Amino acid sequence: AQSVTQPDIHITVSEGASLELRCNYSYGATPYLFWYVQSPGQGLQLLLKYFSGDTLVQGIKGFEAEFKRSQSSFNLRKPSVHWSDAAEYFCAVIGSGAAGNKLTFGGGTRVLVKP
Amino acid sequence: DTGVSQDPRHKITKRGQNVTFRCDPISEHNRLYWYRQTLGQGPEFLTYFQNEAQLEKSRLLSDRFSAERPKGSFSTLEIQRTEQGDSAMYLCASSQSSAGETQYFGPGTRLLVL
Repeated sequence: AQSVTQPDIHITVSEGASLELRCNYSYGATPYLFWYVQSPGQGLQLLLKYFSGDTLVQGIKGFEAEFKRSQSSFNLRKPSVHWSDAAEYFCAVIGSGAAGNKLTFGGGTRVLVKP
Repeated sequence: DTGVSQDPRHKITKRGQNVTFRCDPISEHNRLYWYRQTLGQGPEFLTYFQNEAQLEKSRLLSDRFSAERPKGSFSTLEIQRTEQGDSAMYLCASSQSSAGETQYFGPGTRLLVL
């Protein structure tokens, strides 16, 4: 069965500093990978996705993520964090075939931004 | 494109009562998903529809839960005889079927069972 692990529950970063959120997945074939962001009390907004091709994916709000098959990772990065980036971030994977199209999410990483 | 909408946004109910939530997907999307998110956790899959057919249900979906999508458009999720453990955010998402399609989420319905 597919699974996603986000090792960091909380991360605190200063405004203007860089940010990297870790995501490790377990899936037998080539996965489809996603990063979503959730502001307090809100639904999830898609930041970016990886299906195939270039392993460095650009998303909205200045985020990017890199797919590394050898490490089963899909880490999210942003060079310079803004106060508005404070939110919870979820990595997710979709399987194919018998796994269907349901998203399997990690536990999330809450990002706090210090002024 | 008005996005995915959910109603109500918040629901407080007493244990043992029945509740029903509604989800209106993006109009051209043929797939609709329900997820449940408890505090401090990632969302967990409950069920999904392709058009009006319910194609998969999680074992999380006990017999007190039922979901419908009668005309392949909006969907309802009903919880009968609510329990305190049902307190959670219920999220709806929709997509257009394709390989690795993107699911777009609504704002969610937050349920509190007293």
